[in-house]
Amino acid sequence: DSGVTQTPKHLITATGQRVTLRCSPRSGDLSVYWYQQSLDQGLQFLIQYYNGEERAKGNILERFSAQQFPDLHSELNLSSLELGDSALYFCASSAGPWGEKLFFGSGTQLSVL
Amino acid sequence: TQLLEQSPQFLSIQEGENLTVYCNSSSVFSSLQWYRQEPGEGPVLLVTVVTGGEVKKLKRLTFQFGDARKDSSLHITAAQPGDTGLYLCAGVNTGTYKYIFGTGTRLKVLA
Repeated sequence: DSGVTQTPKHLITATGQRVTLRCSPRSGDLSVYWYQQSLDQGLQFLIQYYNGEERAKGNILERFSAQQFPDLHSELNLSSLELGDSALYFCASSAGPWGEKLFFGSGTQLSVL
Repeated sequence: TQLLEQSPQFLSIQEGENLTVYCNSSSVFSSLQWYRQEPGEGPVLLVTVVTGGEVKKLKRLTFQFGDARKDSSLHITAAQPGDTGLYLCAGVNTGTYKYIFGTGTRLKVLA
């Protein structure tokens, strides 16, 4: 158990809809990272938050947004969903801003039908 | 764009065999990590190598960082079914501290 909690584990929705994925980092970790994993694209970095502030941005679409709350949990919002958004979405956490060691959650499997 | 190519992409071997997985890039990284991911779970960190030429051993697993810090290899001795999983390398860029994950190697060890 990595200590990182992600909910829900599975999500099935339709094109055009909006969903929210939730992540609670390990106790004491201030950084949260979001990754998307698909068969053809591998593990792609989306965005990082550190202590409530956006720290780094990767290949995140404009239809996607995220935030980190004062209690350090994070949410990833995906809107106007398309078939191609179907993937595993992982949250990871690390103690500091530099990500020396990432601890991953078990992921949310998103299926867009 | 920094890319990390892993080879082979798929590997199916018998229990007891040895294997090597490669992670190559044209870019220099400040450090490189190896993760193992099992079905239904997130990647779990195995090792971090930071010095060019560094070799680290973790039981039957041997990790090496290339002298130029552009490539790495993972060697498994006497593979066991429990080694089955997706192996990912990840390069860390010092300036941005962004992780670039490799394309992955799916290993299956047959009993």
